[in-house]
Amino acid sequence: AQSVTQPDIHITVSEGASLELRCNYSYGATPYLFWYVQSPGQGLQLLLKYFSGDTLVQGIKGFEAEFKRSQSSFNLRKPSVHWSDAAEYFCAGVNNAGNMLTFGGGTRLMVKP
Amino acid sequence: DVKVTQSSRYLVKRTGEKVFLECVQDMDHENMFWYRQDPGLGLRLIYFSYDVKMKEKGDIPEGYSVSREKKERFSLILESASTNQTSMYLCASSSDRGGYGYTFGSGTRLTVV
Repeated sequence: AQSVTQPDIHITVSEGASLELRCNYSYGATPYLFWYVQSPGQGLQLLLKYFSGDTLVQGIKGFEAEFKRSQSSFNLRKPSVHWSDAAEYFCAGVNNAGNMLTFGGGTRLMVKP
Repeated sequence: DVKVTQSSRYLVKRTGEKVFLECVQDMDHENMFWYRQDPGLGLRLIYFSYDVKMKEKGDIPEGYSVSREKKERFSLILESASTNQTSMYLCASSSDRGGYGYTFGSGTRLTVV
């Protein structure tokens, strides 16, 4: 089955530290992949997306993600985390039919002062 | 900016009630989606619609139905609410099916007692 998996349910980092959130996918062809962020009480906001081409994708708020076909991964990174980055992060992918966005289980990020 | 508005932020309903969750978008998008969000499970697609009066089942349609009489409005219906339908419900709209530009509403937190 086509799916997206986020292995980490919770992650805590110190403010100013680097961040990497993991995402693994299982799609047969090259998938369309996305990272969304959900702040408390808010809907989901698109951080970045990968369709093809350059495997390092830049997004908003200083985030980037790297598509690695050999590892079936699309990990989200940020060099220096700010307290306002505390939120829940979702990786998502589009199925081969191209008509359904499937989400991972989410990773809740907490930022220590 | 595209706006997706969900009529209620919080709802409390009794078991067995018929519940309507409303979603309206203002950007003339053809595609609209209802997701359910539960901790650790991420977002799961309930139903989606590519056109007026058209609907398709997502991954978890049981216990739900939908209505799309007008392009801008997509309603989720719980025919007979049960406690296991207590959840956060998110509506989204998009100009394409492939996840390119989903815009999410802020969600409706439904509690069934």
